[in-house]
Amino acid sequence: DAKTTQPTSMDCAEGRAANLPCNHSTISGNEYVYWYRQIHSQGPQYIIHGLKNNETNEMASLIITEDRKSSTLILPHATLRDTAVYYCIVDPSNTGKLIFGQGTTLQVKP
Amino acid sequence: KAGVTQTPRYLIKTRGQQVTLSCSPISGHRSVSWYQQTPGQGLQFLFEYFSETQRNKGNFPGRFSGRQFSNSRSEMNVSTLELGDSALYLCASKANQGSYEQYFGPGTRLTVT
Repeated sequence: DAKTTQPTSMDCAEGRAANLPCNHSTISGNEYVYWYRQIHSQGPQYIIHGLKNNETNEMASLIITEDRKSSTLILPHATLRDTAVYYCIVDPSNTGKLIFGQGTTLQVKP
Repeated sequence: KAGVTQTPRYLIKTRGQQVTLSCSPISGHRSVSWYQQTPGQGLQFLFEYFSETQRNKGNFPGRFSGRQFSNSRSEMNVSTLELGDSALYLCASKANQGSYEQYFGPGTRLTVT
């Protein structure tokens, strides 16, 4: 399984866009990029996933570079409730086996 | 739809005992995965079940086992508990084995004394 590298922590001002980077330089052609987040004391929450193209849903946007070696999760207007640990995961298929790294702790500040 | 439910939410056991945790997936979901979360190791995959069959297994000792019933509900069992088994155990479900999104439950907090 490809490994991911994320910054340990990031801060973002409330109302501003939060851009969370992820490096996955050893990603294979059939591996998807997933993003989950975990708000304190809750189970992880699915945010978005993608293979090659940029993706957008009601929660966030996912930008994947053309070589697929990195991606960025964008929360367009961060709120205090977006404070959480964000996990970037690559998976060779859509199995139920997700390999979580340490993630990025995003602190949204007023 | 109701979300993934896990019972019990909190549990205290003694070393050497065994424990069974239960997970009810979202209605209609057929795949259930289990994860262990500890401060030191983070979130680690335990196993995945689909149609009552284990499809994937993580790197955990044989003391950790699971099963899935015909109604997709799942249980995991840990025998001969050790102090290091203290953790948050999370269950996740998805509609089918090929589905992309996993939906996690709130977890069961197990404390081994």
